[in-house]
Amino acid sequence: GESVGLHLPTLSVQEGDNSIINCAYSNSASDYFIWYKQESGKGPQFIIDIRSNMDKRQGQRVTVLLNKTVKHLSLQIAATQPGDSAVYFCAEDSGGSNYKLTFGKGTLLTVNP
Amino acid sequence: DADVTQTPRNRITKTGKRIMLECSQTKGHDRMYWYRQDPGLGLRLIYYSFDVKDINKGEISDGYSVSRQAQAKFSLSLESAIPNQTALYFCATRSSGGTGELFFGEGSRLTVL
Repeated sequence: GESVGLHLPTLSVQEGDNSIINCAYSNSASDYFIWYKQESGKGPQFIIDIRSNMDKRQGQRVTVLLNKTVKHLSLQIAATQPGDSAVYFCAEDSGGSNYKLTFGKGTLLTVNP
Repeated sequence: DADVTQTPRNRITKTGKRIMLECSQTKGHDRMYWYRQDPGLGLRLIYYSFDVKDINKGEISDGYSVSRQAQAKFSLSLESAIPNQTALYFCATRSSGGTGELFFGEGSRLTVL
């Protein structure tokens, strides 16, 4: 899994399998979280977000789970496809309206055909 | 056309040179950000601006300066570039009235020799 402060972890999955990318965030006051996807040579792109008053949110093929007790965030990708290969970042916002997101170091997801 | 445009996309320069990276956006957002990305370190905030008259330092502002020339333009300057400023730089925007989602440009790769 991923944590702010560690080297870039990697996850390799087979096409069609489900992927789970983990993130340990640091600030217990954080109340907003985002997952971003970054493909090679491109800027990060928004995938899904969740607020601290929720513990689960679903999008198209993606689900984000939030466990505030242990300060853990996860991104689940269903039926992973080759186009899902990218670096995935979690980001936390420590509150207020400033939205100065603090990013994790990312997890490299490789999907094998 | 991209909503957030960065120029130049790639730049090689020498130590001591002054460099400016420019960012323009067509999203009409009032908030703009400059991030730096280094391998294994994720995205770190350099400067952010909430409007033309509001400039704030991020976590790694030393050695950098910014200018918000208009709501749509936010430039990052390195007054005297040094090799450890070699990195990938991203501009991002966000609407104050929207979600916390940041919209990123495609990045500017800077190499300081």
